[in-house]
Amino acid sequence: AQSVAQPEDQVNVAEGNPLTVKCTYSVSGNPYLFWYVQYPNRGLQFLLKYITGDNLVKGSYGFEAEFNKSQTSFHLKKPSALVSDSALYFCAVRLNSGYSTLTFGKGTMLLVSP
Amino acid sequence: DVKVTQSSRYLVKRTGEKVFLECVQDMDHENMFWYRQDPGLGLRLIYFSYDVKMKEKGDIPEGYSVSREKKERFSLILESASTNQTSMYLCASPHSGQGRETQYFGPGTRLLVL
Repeated sequence: AQSVAQPEDQVNVAEGNPLTVKCTYSVSGNPYLFWYVQYPNRGLQFLLKYITGDNLVKGSYGFEAEFNKSQTSFHLKKPSALVSDSALYFCAVRLNSGYSTLTFGKGTMLLVSP
Repeated sequence: DVKVTQSSRYLVKRTGEKVFLECVQDMDHENMFWYRQDPGLGLRLIYFSYDVKMKEKGDIPEGYSVSREKKERFSLILESASTNQTSMYLCASPHSGQGRETQYFGPGTRLLVL
């Protein structure tokens, strides 16, 4: 079975400061890893993904994530937070072989204060 | 860009009613998914479909059924709505070909069952 843990229900950061949203995963094989963002009353928007290759993945809106195989982590980062980054963030994982379904974490609310 | 649409943004139904949630994608994709989103639980997979007239149970199929009569349309059916089915329902469809591992989401339908 595969699973995702987002240990923080909420992350608070001041505008201009770096932000990190944590994600760890468990999968029996090599993973595909994803980050999605959800703004209020909206569907999920794809931010970035790790499939293979470089461990540092760059995505939309200045976000990036680092795949760490030994720590089974895929933390989302941004060097300088914006108030408009305030939203709900979901990490997701699936096996990279055949076709398997996505498993999502419970989500982390990011609040960026002015 | 992938476009996934859902027939309603908000629905209010009474206990025992039959409810249809419609999802349409305009990119001739084979795979479509239905999730429900609840606070503190993240996204949970209800049903998915690999092709017309094909369906597979996800993690929480009880109380739901689906229909895929045409490739572009994937319907989620609540045979007899109950209050514990009050939730946000999200439809998703991935790209075809390269990048098929990434799911793209509709705007969501927020269902309230009274």
